[in-house]
Amino acid sequence: EPEVTQTPSHQVTQMGQEVILRCVPISNHLYFYWYRQILGQKVEFLVSFYNNEISEKSEIFDDQFSVERPDGSNFTLKIRSTKLEDSAMYFCASPVRGLVNFGSGTRLTVV
Amino acid sequence: GDSVTQMEGPVTLSEEAFLTINCTYTATGYPSLFWYVQYPGEGLQLLLKATKADDKGSNKGFEATYRKETTSFHLEKGSVQVSDSAVYFCALSIDTGNQFYFGTGTSLTVIP
Repeated sequence: EPEVTQTPSHQVTQMGQEVILRCVPISNHLYFYWYRQILGQKVEFLVSFYNNEISEKSEIFDDQFSVERPDGSNFTLKIRSTKLEDSAMYFCASPVRGLVNFGSGTRLTVV
Repeated sequence: GDSVTQMEGPVTLSEEAFLTINCTYTATGYPSLFWYVQYPGEGLQLLLKATKADDKGSNKGFEATYRKETTSFHLEKGSVQVSDSAVYFCALSIDTGNQFYFGTGTSLTVIP
């Protein structure tokens, strides 16, 4: 049984639209990361989030991105106004018992 | 800065062939090293890890030894199967709970 579940598995959106990607832990995780993987490229760190605050972010994580824990269990990544270059696989991850568990990812396609 | 350099692919092997995927790292501290695997259409799964020098991680017939003297963590398997076809990522983390640094990934295709 996976530790981390991501929804949706695939989302297609029009350029300029807002998207919200969701990450749902099974147990009560406090520490999360978001990563993205543009097709054929490296898996890149976006942001880490601990106890309802951003603890670290990369230069990729600009003002169009935001993260929230809206209800204490779900964990979201919002892209305010999507661009074509935001098309990628987005992974949520959380460390537990010394291991980092990744979700199965959301494939975002911006058209 | 901390980084991982991974052998570029794609790699195509026949079933039962020997596999090596090279990985070297640069780190300011004492990293833990990982291999993750991504099967087609799926997310990243931890394959194996090593947390200190000379540790050997192993899983599903894959092995990798943490070599501090050569700053390497090469992935090996003695006899690959078609089901091993996937993308393999080398990664490091300085401390548990901190971010990971990934290699670019190596695509492996095993043909019958």
